[in-house]
Amino acid sequence: DTAVSQTPKYLVTQMGNDKSIKCEQNLGHDTMYWYKQDSKKFLKIMFSYNNKELIINETVPNRFSPKSPDKAHLNLHINSLELGDSAVYFCASSQWVGLAKNIQYFGAGTRLSVL
Amino acid sequence: SQELEQSPQSLIVQEGKNLTINCTSSKTLYGLYWYKQKYGEGLIFLMMLQKGGEEKSHEKITAKLDEKKQQSSLHITASQPSHAGIYLCGADIKDKGGTSYGKLTFGQGTILTVHP
Repeated sequence: DTAVSQTPKYLVTQMGNDKSIKCEQNLGHDTMYWYKQDSKKFLKIMFSYNNKELIINETVPNRFSPKSPDKAHLNLHINSLELGDSAVYFCASSQWVGLAKNIQYFGAGTRLSVL
Repeated sequence: SQELEQSPQSLIVQEGKNLTINCTSSKTLYGLYWYKQKYGEGLIFLMMLQKGGEEKSHEKITAKLDEKKQQSSLHITASQPSHAGIYLCGADIKDKGGTSYGKLTFGQGTILTVHP
């Protein structure tokens, strides 16, 4: 069983559309994250939730809205997609908040292409 | 400039050669994580270093943390094609006394190619 799973793996869509990416972890972790990796492979955090509560919200356009229905799931909804949103989006989870001996486990990524 | 700089940005080696990747921070490091990424896959956790001078090894990969230099190095001995991929360092970079909340800042990655 995959520990952190994201769907879909690939997403090709037109500019202006609304799309969602789903993430689920079966590790029993309390904290989940969304990262964005751009075309230069630069990975940057977008959001983090701990036990369904938002704790990290980086400077991200408000077209991006994360939702955590329970602590095993963290979804990312993107409104009015733009060309610049094309990237690989990674979901991750960790046992708790903070970085003290707290490894983040990553999903395989969702490759989003906006045409 | 980025808070975490990796060098080199890319590396091509012949199988069997040793290599080193460096990760340097512009601020104090409070924990350093090394990950490996293969195309189409997620990040695979390699090692976590939390104390200055700490050194960890897994198979042929060794990582060290030099807190004074605000730097970590990843060394691969006798490289194999299976070592090829993108190596990313991620760190907790915050001002002293600040709270982390698990925010990992990543370097730009080092692309490693190993020719058989």
